[in-house]
Amino acid sequence: DTGVSQDPRHKITKRGQNVTFRCDPISEHNRLYWYRQTLGQGPEFLTYFQNEAQLEKSRLLSDRFSAERPKGSFSTLEIQRTEQGDSAMYLCAILSRATDTQYFGPGTRLTVL
Amino acid sequence: GENVEQHPSTLSVQEGDSAVIKCTYSDSASNYFPWYKQELGKRPQLIIDIRSNVGEKKDQRIAVTLNKTAKHFSLHITETQPEDSAVYFCAARGPGYSTLTFGKGTMLLVSP
Repeated sequence: DTGVSQDPRHKITKRGQNVTFRCDPISEHNRLYWYRQTLGQGPEFLTYFQNEAQLEKSRLLSDRFSAERPKGSFSTLEIQRTEQGDSAMYLCAILSRATDTQYFGPGTRLTVL
Repeated sequence: GENVEQHPSTLSVQEGDSAVIKCTYSDSASNYFPWYKQELGKRPQLIIDIRSNVGEKKDQRIAVTLNKTAKHFSLHITETQPEDSAVYFCAARGPGYSTLTFGKGTMLLVSP
């Protein structure tokens, strides 16, 4: 099963506030990825986890961003002191071991006012 | 790091025509090339992929070709239908299950 859910689906916040997003793979998947997608662009890699270990972080992931995957199942992405430039769709993806392909969740659309 | 260029950025065709979208990549070590279709407001969905040990792959009306020497790959859609209208993204991935690097997308519009 390659299902991934994300919560919330939409988030509107004011500049300077902190936000947290959650990604829940339906079944066990070792590798979990976070991407950011802005309007008119392809998804851009942010970070990924192998089980609970965060193995790689993009330079896009400033120190205001932090991600966790405490038990190797669900993952959270937190943005502190949000800025208008953080407005984007945040996509979670899992790697299916059966097919060696990435499948995306529905995303969380963040709007920073 | 990897860089993926995709063109055209927009493509308009008549229903029944063929559509071709092309991508180039920079890292010769990349070995996996998926294509995603994204409808407005929805998640990117994998439609076809190809690995570097294969030159062509076909799935019904969709085919992908890979030229490793030239470092480019293409998506071919035949007998296009209005429901094919969407944004299509190509991507490339290096060895060792690293991340995907995406192109900027092609907006395909199929007119009835």
